[in-house]
Amino acid sequence: DSGVTQTPKHLITATGQRVTLRCSPRSGDLSVYWYQQSLDQGLQFLIQYYNGEERAKGNILERFSAQQFPDLHSELNLSSLELGDSALYFCASSPLRRGGTDTQYFGPGTRLTVL
Amino acid sequence: AQSVTQPDIHITVSEGASLELRCNYSYGATPYLFWYVQSPGQGLQLLLKYFSGDTLVQGIKGFEAEFKRSQSSFNLRKPSVHWSDAAEYFCAVGASGAGSYQLTFGKGTKLSVIP
Repeated sequence: DSGVTQTPKHLITATGQRVTLRCSPRSGDLSVYWYQQSLDQGLQFLIQYYNGEERAKGNILERFSAQQFPDLHSELNLSSLELGDSALYFCASSPLRRGGTDTQYFGPGTRLTVL
Repeated sequence: AQSVTQPDIHITVSEGASLELRCNYSYGATPYLFWYVQSPGQGLQLLLKYFSGDTLVQGIKGFEAEFKRSQSSFNLRKPSVHWSDAAEYFCAVGASGAGSYQLTFGKGTKLSVIP
């Protein structure tokens, strides 16, 4: 158990809908990363938040957005869903110490199926 | 931009045999390198990491990896494989910059173990 929790574990929805995925980082970790794992693209970085602020963006679609709240949990919002958005979405957290290296610990993931 | 290549999509070994999973990376600066393992239906578990120093790093579950700068490689090894090691293994490079250490993953190597 990494200490990172994600809810829900599974989500089944229809095209055009909007969903919210939730992540609670490990105790003390200020940084949250979101990744998407799909069969064709593999594991891809989407976005990172640090202490409530967006820190880096990767291959995240405009239909997707995220935020990190004062209690440090994060939510990934996916809207106007398409079949191709079906994937496993991972959240990872890390302490991200100043000037140091960083190790990310991953949650169990949320499996999204768009029908 | 950084990249990771895992040349072997699928490897099958017999229980008790030795294992080496290959990983080659491309990154302009000193890389931060990681190996993660994903069991079916599970999240990503950190096996080991390399930041600096000794080029041979030890991880959990009896795994080790060797960083070879001249070959841009970070191969994962285990002297004797157990049936429970059957899983998918991902090599990743961490890009440092502006306070973000987003990971770039290889496509993964699926390990099957014959009892």
